Amino acid sequence: KNEVEQSPQNLTAQEGEFITINCSYSVGISALHWLQQHPGGGIVSLFMLSSGKKKHGRLIATINIQEKHSSLHITASHPRDSAVYICAVSPRGGTDKLIFGTGTRLQVFP
Amino acid sequence: KAGVTQTPRYLIKTRGQQVTLSCSPISGHRSVSWYQQTPGQGLQFLFEYFSETQRNKGNFPGRFSGRQFSNSRSEMNVSTLELGDSALYLCASSRGSRGFADTQYFGPGTRLTVL
Repeated sequence: KNEVEQSPQNLTAQEGEFITINCSYSVGISALHWLQQHPGGGIVSLFMLSSGKKKHGRLIATINIQEKHSSLHITASHPRDSAVYICAVSPRGGTDKLIFGTGTRLQVFP
Repeated sequence: KAGVTQTPRYLIKTRGQQVTLSCSPISGHRSVSWYQQTPGQGLQFLFEYFSETQRNKGNFPGRFSGRQFSNSRSEMNVSTLELGDSALYLCASSRGSRGFADTQYFGPGTRLTVL
């Protein structure tokens, strides 16, 4: 079993829909990152969380440390949101590194 | 501020050769980390350098090595290339004081093809 699991693997939405991507992890963490990767490979950091909730524009990220779960929400989705969204955790203790989920591929149609 | 830059962007090598990839971090960032991305394994952590010292290392064979210079620029080297080393290699930089509890800024990647 992977230490970081994301769901769904693929997501299709109509423009304007509310989208939720989930991330569950099995290790204690010092931080959780949400990343966005567009075709061509470039990765952009969307959020880094260690507790609570963060909001940036139409994006909201939440984390529940006790339940080892995080969600990324996109309100009023737009075709330019089409990308792969990746959850990554920095485990607490041991080797400091990032462990990545397998990503959620989102396609938003007009 | 300029972003993270990686050179070259594309590279084709043959089995058995070696390759060196370069990463220039954002000015003021002292941590550089390297990742391999393949369709089969996804993103995997290679290693991290902070102030010219390797601070953390992932589970990759010794053929994969790196270094960091006093200006924080970093290089990674892969010796005796194998077909399975074909991948997108990404680097990321951060201030580094809080390890991976700092926001990571990724470069555009180097796409390596091994024939």
